[in-house]
Amino acid sequence: NAGVTQTPKFQVLKTGQSMTLQCAQDMNHEYMSWYRQDPGMGLRLIHYSVGAGITDQGEVPNGYNVSRSTTEDFPLRLLSAAPSQTSVYFCASKIRSRGNTEAFFGQGTRLTVV
Amino acid sequence: AQRVTQPEKLLSVFKGAPVELKCNYSYSGSPELFWYVQYSRQRLQLLLRHISRESIKGFTADLNKGETSFHLKKPFAQEEDSAMYYCALGTLNGGSQGNLIFGKGTKLSVKP
Repeated sequence: NAGVTQTPKFQVLKTGQSMTLQCAQDMNHEYMSWYRQDPGMGLRLIHYSVGAGITDQGEVPNGYNVSRSTTEDFPLRLLSAAPSQTSVYFCASKIRSRGNTEAFFGQGTRLTVV
Repeated sequence: AQRVTQPEKLLSVFKGAPVELKCNYSYSGSPELFWYVQYSRQRLQLLLRHISRESIKGFTADLNKGETSFHLKKPFAQEEDSAMYYCALGTLNGGSQGNLIFGKGTKLSVKP
């Protein structure tokens, strides 16, 4: 049981380049989300999905796209990278429920945009 | 507005001293609160959830709805407790069901 797997772990991009951060989970969780972690800012929600084919914006969606074609995968796309997108990105999944459920996080992707 | 406030960016204590990491929240509905911990360059992992009323690694947290607080406490800090701690609010209403709102985090440093 791998849990939540993110790739790559590290990436350096040039301004204007595009790339996709991959996230996969094997727990059959309906809910998946992407956060960015910045010093002094905590974790901020970028996009989330409550099931295959359903996505929505979080707090800081600009410059990012997502899609959810399967339950397992939730890739995050940077359309045209900017230095302000230098951050650590975490993917998380959880059971979609009104109950008290634990979110499982990936190990993070450390992205630097130069 | 839904908000989580962790007033301390950094908390430094000596080994064996008591620790209290503060967390206050703002939420109009019934709150669902968590503490997550992130050890150096590792993934976030759940430490506590309020509904379980459990003690993990000696940490406890009590939900105080009157003061809208969910402070994390440990009577005797250990060096291995050094980490970043995040308080999180789970949203249950409307389209954002399931989202977690995080505070900015408190870095706990336990000195020998």
